[in-house]
Amino acid sequence: DVKVTQSSRYLVKRTGEKVFLECVQDMDHENMFWYRQDPGLGLRLIYFSYDVKMKEKGDIPEGYSVSREKKERFSLILESASTNQTSMYLCAGGGFGEKLFFGSGTQLSVL
Amino acid sequence: DQQVKQNSPSLSVQEGRISILNCDYTNSMFDYFLWYKKYPAEGPTFLISISSIKDKNEDGRFTVFLNKSAKHLSLHIVPSQPGDSAVYFCAATGVGGTNAGKSTFGDGTTLTVKP
Repeated sequence: DVKVTQSSRYLVKRTGEKVFLECVQDMDHENMFWYRQDPGLGLRLIYFSYDVKMKEKGDIPEGYSVSREKKERFSLILESASTNQTSMYLCAGGGFGEKLFFGSGTQLSVL
Repeated sequence: DQQVKQNSPSLSVQEGRISILNCDYTNSMFDYFLWYKKYPAEGPTFLISISSIKDKNEDGRFTVFLNKSAKHLSLHIVPSQPGDSAVYFCAATGVGGTNAGKSTFGDGTTLTVKP
């Protein structure tokens, strides 16, 4: 079975901290994505990557960065966490223009 | 400008009846449409999809209809079961244009199926 694993289910961080969210996929897909989900706002794309060391901005990249050093791993970085970054973060992998396989999500609270 | 819209935040139906979830899109470059289902505290899971060259795709109790001229798609669940209670997201993607390779999601519709 295809698997996308996010390292943490729940995280609590303080304002100003640097936060790392890790995601690993075993599908051998080139494409990986980070979304955030907020009530009433659906899933919004933060960043995505088509290949190792490549990254593209999504719809809401401000305040975030990403790292893709290996094909199977895609990390989301909050450079200086703020309270408006409290959200559910979802990592996904998939083919180009195809269905996505999501991880279980990380619920991040920034206090 | 939101490119994929689900205008009904919630829907409640009786067990055994039909559930119809709707979705509208604005970008004519989208050529592949998907529905995902999400339970609380879990990631979305793929449910069913349809290519723009088709107008209907069926998988068991789930059928997706696409009306390209109206830029509208719908998901029918027949018969509805209590286990279908979840948030349903409509998504659109394509291989061309500025959205190439990316999936754009609607806001979701929370379906409640009452026993």
